[in-house]
This record gives sequence, structure tokens and C-alpha cells, in this order.
Amino acid sequence: DAGVTQSPTHLIKTRGQQVTLRCSPKSGHDTVSWYQQALGQGPQFIFQYYEEEERQRGNFPDRFSGHQFPNYSSELNVNALLLGDSALYLCASSLGPKDTQYFGPGTRLTVL
Amino acid sequence: GESVGLHLPTLSVQEGDNSIINCAYSNSASDYFIWYKQESGKGPQFIIDIRSNMDKRQGQRVTVLLNKTVKHLSLQIAATQPGDSAVYFCAESSGNTPLVFGKGTRLSVIA
Repeated sequence: DAGVTQSPTHLIKTRGQQVTLRCSPKSGHDTVSWYQQALGQGPQFIFQYYEEEERQRGNFPDRFSGHQFPNYSSELNVNALLLGDSALYLCASSLGPKDTQYFGPGTRLTVL
Repeated sequence: GESVGLHLPTLSVQEGDNSIINCAYSNSASDYFIWYKQESGKGPQFIIDIRSNMDKRQGQRVTVLLNKTVKHLSLQIAATQPGDSAVYFCAESSGNTPLVFGKGTRLSVIA
């Protein structure tokens, strides 16, 4: 039974660039949530996708956008990257928006 | 406590002893609580969860206690092992609100 997978593992970008991160949910899960985890902090909720729509959104600017595909996989896009966007980006999947969330290994984004 | 972090509250425990990790929450409307374990370079791993209609729940070597009166949550790990060394996060949610993570605690197991 495959767990949550994320790609790429690591990514280095420069300020102003755009990035796309990908997530495949755990088998049988239909909901994907994205989190940002800065060094030394707990994960912070970015948004959640269910039925291919953004269901909830945290306190993140419009530069952060996402998408969910019919197979429940998801992408996180960040435009106009800032140095402060450097973080571990985590994807979590669940069976429905309110069920227990299981996390992937994360994508480490470094913005230079 | 917090993530793979620099200035986390740290709990040092002798191997074989029991560990208790505490978490205070502020939202009295929170009705779902969850503990995650995060090892360095990895994503958070689910340990155990509890809903507000319960005050205790047990898993394998772990117990979560919820005291709604004082808004306090604890994770007890029995017979702590070196593999339990990690950062532990509590998280809470209420109704339709997303998970809010607390500041983690680093657990160090002394062999």
C-alpha cells in the first residue's frame, strides 16, 4: 500500500522564479492538504483540495496556488519566489476533508 | 516544541523509562487532537489522535490524555526506545478549521 509521495525531494530556485511541487496521495485517499514548514517551526496550513476544488485556505498570499487532478494527485505552485519561501513543503492526504491526515516526506525548497 | 528545530523544548529520557510530552492549546472549540512524530529530514508521522468526547486513548506503547478543563493534551510513551528520538508535535482542529500545529518538543533518548 503506497503512502503519500512527493516530488521532487529537493529544489533550488532563485528569487522571482516559479516552482511546481507534486503530491500523490495515499492509496484510497481523496483529499490533499499542503503545509509549509520553516526551519524550527511546526507545519503551517496552506490549503486543502477535495473534489478538485480548493476547500480551505490558510493565511498565504495568492502567489501560492494549487490544483487537484481527477486521480486525486495535487500540485502546489508558487510564483515570484521570495527568499522567505525557503522551507520544507509537506503534502498530507486523507479519506475526506476531516479524516486523519498522513504526511509525505516533503520537498525541501531553497530560494537563493 | 517545534519542528526539526534549533530552540525546541527538549525532553531527555533514559532508555526504558516512560516519556510524557505535554501540549497546551488555546481554542476551547477544538474537538480533534492529534500527535505526530517527525524525524530529521522526514515528514510528520501519525502517532495517535483523540476527539473531544474522550479523555484517554491508547495505542501501541502510547497513550494520549485530554484535559478539556485546562486545555491540555499529553502523549505518554511507555518503555522509551532510541528509535523514539524525534520531534513531537501536537495539532488541533475544530469543526471545519484546518489543523493547527503546536510548537514541537524534541525527545532525546539516552541509551
